[in-house]
Amino acid sequence: EAQVTQNPRYLITVTGKKLTVTCSQNMNHEYMSWYRQDPGLGLRQIYYSMNVEVTDKGDVPEGYKVSRKEKRNFPLILESPSPNQTSLYFCASSSPGQGASSGRDSSYNEQFFGPGTRLTVL
Amino acid sequence: DQQVKQNSPSLSVQEGRISILNCDYTNSMFDYFLWYKKYPAEGPTFLISISSIKDKNEDGRFTVFLNKSAKHLSLHIVPSQPGDSAVYFCAASYSGTYKYIFGTGTRLKVLA
Repeated sequence: EAQVTQNPRYLITVTGKKLTVTCSQNMNHEYMSWYRQDPGLGLRQIYYSMNVEVTDKGDVPEGYKVSRKEKRNFPLILESPSPNQTSLYFCASSSPGQGASSGRDSSYNEQFFGPGTRLTVL
Repeated sequence: DQQVKQNSPSLSVQEGRISILNCDYTNSMFDYFLWYKKYPAEGPTFLISISSIKDKNEDGRFTVFLNKSAKHLSLHIVPSQPGDSAVYFCAASYSGTYKYIFGTGTRLKVLA
């Protein structure tokens, strides 16, 4: 089954304790991205990666790191978590340029999202 | 500065009627727009998209309209079904980037 998986799904931690949220996709997608969802703010992009070893900042990268050593994995690293990083995090992947179907433009593809990781930093 | 705005946080519609969800944007460089649907405890799922060279795109019960001069897009769901009850996000992007800007979402409730 084609999917994006995230681990853990739920995490409660304390300020300053380094953590990593893993993201893996089995669709051979080049593009991967991390978002956070907060009430009243919608989804905000943290980092994205166009391919292995190629990453770039989204709108809210402060306090986060990412790496893309393999195509299928895109971990999100919080070196020193703070309470303002309490949020719901989503990983997503896509393959720009994949064939079009009903409702889709062939030059841009939709993203497939993981189930989310709810992080609480105390 | 919210570049993509969904000014209605919630919407209730009777089953069988039309649901219209609206989205406004400020950046004229955006040339691709997407709608996602999100159920509780799940990740968003893609619904429909439109590029700026079109003003309408249909996929079954879902139609997206784009008015570039007004920087406005809307999602029409006809007929609405109880299973459509979810949070809907619009998102925008522009050529040459892989950045996506999402709106704050509209919670749709379809009443049986």
